[in-house]
Amino acid sequence: RKEVEQDPGPFNVPEGATVAFNCTYSNSASQSFFWYRQDCRKEPKLLMSVYSSGNEDGRFTAQLNRASQYISLLIRDSKLSDSATYLCVEKNRDDKIIFGKGTRLHILP
Amino acid sequence: DGGITQSPKYLFRKEGQNVTLSCEQNLNHDAMYWYRQDPGQGLRLIYYSQIVNDFQKGDIAEGYSVSREKKESFPLTVTSAQKNPTAFYLCASSIPEQVKAFFGQGTRLTVV
Repeated sequence: RKEVEQDPGPFNVPEGATVAFNCTYSNSASQSFFWYRQDCRKEPKLLMSVYSSGNEDGRFTAQLNRASQYISLLIRDSKLSDSATYLCVEKNRDDKIIFGKGTRLHILP
Repeated sequence: DGGITQSPKYLFRKEGQNVTLSCEQNLNHDAMYWYRQDPGQGLRLIYYSQIVNDFQKGDIAEGYSVSREKKESFPLTVTSAQKNPTAFYLCASSIPEQVKAFFGQGTRLTVV
């Protein structure tokens, strides 16, 4: 089983809709999780960290479910500028940072 | 300004030649990483280093080599043994207490 798995998409979503992604991880001992955003031909940029208690940043909400070993990202009121690839990321105790393959999101006008 | 710098941004090499990609950071970060990204694919870990003079293989280390003689520098050599070297290479750094990884802008390597 791969360390971090995501649905590659693409998700084609109308502007203003709510979209949710999930990502599963295999290492139950992993401590830190994040969502990164990557635009075409650019480096990834941190979108938000993920905590068990859930965290929200504007239209974005991230959640960690340790029992089922998945993390989620919810985007409300989606904008055209949200079109990108969203990468699920795990950092383990040895500082190894593992990326999922990413989920492509296309917001449609 | 503090940051992580990769150079060059675009690099062309003939098949069979070794090539070294530069990665420098002035963030005083202990950990540094090299990733490879192919079109439409995620980032795959090549090598990472938690401290000077130490590094570990990632998932796709074959055909690559690294060194970590200084804290701020983590060069990656793509050797002629790497069968498909053409890709986008990203370098990153972080510190253990922080969850965020800082990325360079990447080097696009094309082998012809």
